[in-house]
Amino acid sequence: ELKVEQNPLFLSMQEGKNYTIYCNYSTTSDRLYWYRQDPGKSLESLFVLLSNGAVKQEGRLMASLDTKARLSTLHITAAVHDLSATYFCATNFGNEKLTFGTGTRLTIIP
Amino acid sequence: DAGVTQSPTHLIKTRGQQVTLRCSPKSGHDTVSWYQQALGQGPQFIFQYYEEEERQRGNFPDRFSGHQFPNYSSELNVNALLLGDSALYLCASSRIADSSSYNEQFFGPGTRLTVL
Repeated sequence: ELKVEQNPLFLSMQEGKNYTIYCNYSTTSDRLYWYRQDPGKSLESLFVLLSNGAVKQEGRLMASLDTKARLSTLHITAAVHDLSATYFCATNFGNEKLTFGTGTRLTIIP
Repeated sequence: DAGVTQSPTHLIKTRGQQVTLRCSPKSGHDTVSWYQQALGQGPQFIFQYYEEEERQRGNFPDRFSGHQFPNYSSELNVNALLLGDSALYLCASSRIADSSSYNEQFFGPGTRLTVL
């Protein structure tokens, strides 16, 4: 059964600092997703990574995928307060169900 | 182009009652998946519907059932509600595609179910 692990579970950062969230998955899959969730809200799609070595960037967020290591990273550059949220990675294969990580609750401190 | 819609937004029920949640997929999508997200956890897959049939099912009891209509909209039914069924229920739609493309799942706003 596919398992997805994220770390850290909780992350408290100062504004302006850089940090990385890690996502490991247990078996072969062909895509990796990153989502953002604000409290009480639904999931907002951030990135879809489809191949080994894929890198995508949007503003202060950059995601990468290493399928050989079964690892994806979400890097935050010069954090700002409005990035505070819970971030989930998820993966699936083909049309199959999404399996989500445990989430990383990110708090940006002024 | 309307995205995925869900109704109701919030719902309060008591133990033992039954509930029906509804989902309308994004235009052009033919597949609906349902997820349960308990507080502080990641979403857990319940089941997926395609061509009005349950295509995949997660590790949920038979109290959870669903339906897909000819217009691709879907319902999630939960019988004999337990306190532990309190969660955010998310619907996601996608389009079954051929092997040359991928079918990203787009999530609706969710229904918050509270069981007292």
